[in-house]
Amino acid sequence: NAGVTQTPKFQVLKTGQSMTLQCAQDMNHEYMSWYRQDPGMGLRLIHYSVGAGITDQGEVPNGYNVSRSTTEDFPLRLLSAAPSQTSVYFCASSYRAGEAFFGQGTRLTVV
Amino acid sequence: DAKTTQPNSMESNEEEPVHLPCNHSTISGTDYIHWYRQLPSQGPEYVIHGLTSNVNNRMASLAIAEDRKSSTLILHRATLRDAAVYYCILRANSGGSNYKLTFGKGTLLTVNP
Repeated sequence: NAGVTQTPKFQVLKTGQSMTLQCAQDMNHEYMSWYRQDPGMGLRLIHYSVGAGITDQGEVPNGYNVSRSTTEDFPLRLLSAAPSQTSVYFCASSYRAGEAFFGQGTRLTVV
Repeated sequence: DAKTTQPNSMESNEEEPVHLPCNHSTISGTDYIHWYRQLPSQGPEYVIHGLTSNVNNRMASLAIAEDRKSSTLILHRATLRDAAVYYCILRANSGGSNYKLTFGKGTLLTVNP
């Protein structure tokens, strides 16, 4: 089982560039979500999805877009990268309120 | 969202049991109690979850108070690999957006050799 796969693992962007962080799961989970974690802090929810075609904002959605065209994939798009978006990004999936599986994270630096 | 309260940090010795407390006095009837941990430079890892009854798995045990306003994660024999931040989270089971996992600051567990 691959579980939750995030790509890339590391990325450096210049201010103003756009990019997409990929997240895929092979467990047929309806619920998927994106978090960011800044140094020394807990995880903050960016966006989440309760199924294909359904997304909603979390705690810190500004500057990020998501879509969910399939059950398996939940990409996170940075529209115009800013230094404040330098962070570690985690994707997670679960079946309803059960065990959540997390990816290994994407370390993003915006210069 | 229902909140949880955990100590900022705890310390333990290797091969001794560890009891990590969590208070959740505003828990609702449909909230599951979830525990995750995060080792340094890694993503969160599921530990255990429960609703009303105590739960055991290969990693830990979860003891839930009868009124469900508090719970305790029990690591039966701490190892150095158990040093991590432990998060106690309430997760609603009432559908849709209520499945959100909201992370607090957690408890930093230090394990001494």
